[in-house]
Amino acid sequence: KNQVEQSPQSLIILEGKNCTLQCNYTVSPFSNLRWYKQDTGRGPVSLTIMTFSENTKSNGRYTATLDADTKQSSLHITASQLSDSASYICVVSRQGAQKLVFGQGTRLTINP
Amino acid sequence: ETGVTQTPRHLVMGMTNKKSLKCEQHLGHNAMYWYKQSAKKPLELMFVYSLEERVENNSVPSRFSPECPNSSHLFLHLHTLQPEDSALYLCASSRDRTYEQYFGPGTRLTVT
Repeated sequence: KNQVEQSPQSLIILEGKNCTLQCNYTVSPFSNLRWYKQDTGRGPVSLTIMTFSENTKSNGRYTATLDADTKQSSLHITASQLSDSASYICVVSRQGAQKLVFGQGTRLTINP
Repeated sequence: ETGVTQTPRHLVMGMTNKKSLKCEQHLGHNAMYWYKQSAKKPLELMFVYSLEERVENNSVPSRFSPECPNSSHLFLHLHTLQPEDSALYLCASSRDRTYEQYFGPGTRLTVT
């Protein structure tokens, strides 16, 4: 069964601290993996996209990693800011299926 | 702004009402999507349109009726909804079904 599991479900950290969000997937055959940021009351916005051959990709203070062998991805946020408070969603595409498999998201709260 | 707009942003309706959600994209994309996002659950794909033709309908109840009059506009007509239909309804578009999806801000629907 094609699934995407994210952990933790929610996370609270202090402003300025780093954090790492996890994504495990069983989607096969794999095409690509995206991390989205969704602010409260808004639609998801893409942060990074990685294909099978890529194992690290950065977007400012966001760094995503991918281990296609273990089918795991992580999103590391450095020097967190209050504006990082949002839900982060991991989305995996199946090759040839034109279908996205969504994780349930991690709700991140940054406290001052 | 992602180039995808949705109206209204908030909607409260009774179970006997008829209402419509509107989505418009200014990106020249050929594919459009409706998603349902309930609390603590992954996004659920409802309908997919490609070149104004419905290509996917994921077992959605008939009280939800999509309409795509042209490649820039997508509607979701609602009638005799149930309280469990309360959710955030997201519209997305993509160049075609293999490309990245851009999401609108969503319509927060409450059924009373």
